[in-house]
Amino acid sequence: KQEVTQIPAALSVPEGENLVLNCSFTDSAIYNLQWFRQDPGKGLTSLLLIQSSQREQTSGRLNASLDKSSGRSTLYIAASQPGDSATYLCAVTSTGTASKLTFGTGTRLQVTL
Amino acid sequence: EAQVTQNPRYLITVTGKKLTVTCSQNMNHEYMSWYRQDPGLGLRQIYYSMNVEVTDKGDVPEGYKVSRKEKRNFPLILESPSPNQTSLYFCASSTLRGLEQYFGPGTRLTVT
Repeated sequence: KQEVTQIPAALSVPEGENLVLNCSFTDSAIYNLQWFRQDPGKGLTSLLLIQSSQREQTSGRLNASLDKSSGRSTLYIAASQPGDSATYLCAVTSTGTASKLTFGTGTRLQVTL
Repeated sequence: EAQVTQNPRYLITVTGKKLTVTCSQNMNHEYMSWYRQDPGLGLRQIYYSMNVEVTDKGDVPEGYKVSRKEKRNFPLILESPSPNQTSLYFCASSTLRGLEQYFGPGTRLTVT
């Protein structure tokens, strides 16, 4: 059974810092990995999708990497801003699971002034 | 605009009173699913559908029903809600496996 873990559970950084969020998964047989952002009381916004054949994806200040063999992904946020404060969720789609996403419990990020 | 909509967004109800949460997508996606989100447990899949009239259980299907009579709609039905179904519910849709999934804004359900 696929399990997804995110470390740390919470993180507070001053504005302008670069930071890394970690995600690990137990079964490397995946179709893809997706990073989401969730603001308090709101829905999920997709940030980046990495297919299993890819090593990384970039969007603006965000860069996500995938090491399928070791079961790890990182989300790198450059030059953090207060508007980046949110919970970041990592989710994988495992092979043979009909597109089901298995989520981690998230990293709650606070970027302070 | 491509989107997944859910209604209602907030609902407070009493134990045993049947309710339906609607979900609709305008992207002609084949795959739709329901998740619930609970503190400390993350998001867990309730039911999913790979196309019209094709539905199957996810990880936590007990107490829920779904139907897929039209491609765009995937309602979640609670026949006899109980307090342990108090949660934040999300509907999601995508094309076939391997592609990005889109989520609705969520429905916060409280069962007293």
